[in-house]
Amino acid sequence: EVQLVESGGGLIQPGGSLRLSCAASGFTVSSNYMSWVRQAPGKGLEWVSVIYSGGSTYYADSVKGRFTISRDNSKNTLYLQMNSLRAEDTAVYYCARERSCSGGSCYSGFDYWGQGTLVTVSS
Amino acid sequence: DIQMTQSPSSLSASVGDRVTITCRASQSISSYLNWYQQKPGKAPKLLIYATSSLQSGVPSRFSGSGSGTDFTLIISSLQPEDFATYYCQQSYSTPRTFGQGTKLEIK
Repeated sequence: EVQLVESGGGLIQPGGSLRLSCAASGFTVSSNYMSWVRQAPGKGLEWVSVIYSGGSTYYADSVKGRFTISRDNSKNTLYLQMNSLRAEDTAVYYCARERSCSGGSCYSGFDYWGQGTLVTVSS
Repeated sequence: DIQMTQSPSSLSASVGDRVTITCRASQSISSYLNWYQQKPGKAPKLLIYATSSLQSGVPSRFSGSGSGTDFTLIISSLQPEDFATYYCQQSYSTPRTFGQGTKLEIK
């Protein structure tokens, strides 16, 4: 059974750092495109970052230079290192899988999502 | 970046109604268009991928159509559990982008 379980969220002061984890089971993280998607309170879905199966990484302009996506193949886990956090980064963060991908396009959509982890940036 | 525009932003309907939600992309995305349903406090759930393919376990009252820049999600006969927020999303290019959402409420 495919499962994604996020952890690492919490309350952090502006300017602080946090690392989110997404532990996967039932499939191999490194064989798929894996993304982070966030949702601010009462708002819509915003894509944050992706790591391709080949290892290329991409970021939304709003987090570029502050967030880093990575994976540990031995642990089958996806990470999001978040530095220089701002109040506007407050959101529920989801990890999500895409498959059947080629050249940046994916046929499957985000077919599995984690339960989400809440990040609150506030003093 | 590809902009995704959904309409309407909100919709009131009754059980048994046929509902249509539209999504327009700012440039052609071929058939790389997906639809999600989200209920309060829950992760989004994939309903339709690649414009018209029904995700496993999703009821057949949900269907999708379109190509290029214009896409449609249809719920043929609304059920009580369908009242939720719906998002379209393109998986043609990075950055991935979502529509702003359509909140479907009970009339």
